[in-house]
Amino acid sequence: AQSVTQPDIHITVSEGASLELRCNYSYGATPYLFWYVQSPGQGLQLLLKYFSGDTLVQGIKGFEAEFKRSQSSFNLRKPSVHWSDAAEYFCAVLLSGGYQKVTFGTGTKLQVIP
Amino acid sequence: KAGVTQTPRYLIKTRGQQVTLSCSPISGHRSVSWYQQTPGQGLQFLFEYFSETQRNKGNFPGRFSGRQFSNSRSEMNVSTLELGDSALYLCASSTSDRVNTFGSGTRLTVV
Repeated sequence: AQSVTQPDIHITVSEGASLELRCNYSYGATPYLFWYVQSPGQGLQLLLKYFSGDTLVQGIKGFEAEFKRSQSSFNLRKPSVHWSDAAEYFCAVLLSGGYQKVTFGTGTKLQVIP
Repeated sequence: KAGVTQTPRYLIKTRGQQVTLSCSPISGHRSVSWYQQTPGQGLQFLFEYFSETQRNKGNFPGRFSGRQFSNSRSEMNVSTLELGDSALYLCASSTSDRVNTFGSGTRLTVV
C-alpha cells in the first residue's frame, strides 16, 4: 500500500545540536516530496520540496533534505537547532498524476532543550 | 500578497447540526484543497477543487461536501455533525507548480 512513514513520533535535541528527521515513502514511482512545519494551533508552512534534479535541497530556516531513491527516503536535516525550531514536522508526498491530493506522514514533534 | 484565509478560526457546534467553513485562496490560485487534522488520524485529504469542479476526493462520508465559486473561493460543509468531526480543518491553495500554501485552519469543536 502507498504510505509515508515518519518513524519518530517525538525527538528531543539540545539547542545547538544537529537534527535529522526521518521520512520513508512507499510508492511505485518517485513522487513529489515535501517537508512542512506546524506550530501549535497553526497551519502548515512549507520548509522545502523535491521534484527532480539535485537530490540535496535547501529550504527555509536553515533546513535541508536529501532524497535517496535507493532507500525511498527524504530525511530532513539542520546542522544547529534553535529553540524556535520546536514544532511538529510533517513529511508529505504528491503523486505526479495525483492532482493536489497530498499524503502526509504522521508527524514528528521536536522538543528543543536549552 | 495575502495568504490563504480561512474563516472562522474557531467554531463550536452541537451534535446533529451542520457547519460551513470558508476558504479564500491566494489570488491567482485556482486549486483549493481541504484537509482534516485530528490527533488520532493525523492529516487526511478531504477533497480538491479546481475551476469549480471537484477533481479529487478522499475517503470521507457523504456528510462532508464542498464547492468552489468562480472567484476560486471555496466552502466545505459538514452535515449532521458527530463528536468525531472535531478537528482542525485546513485549506490549501496552489497553482500549476503543485506547491500547496496552507491557511491557519478552522478549529471545529463538536459538543
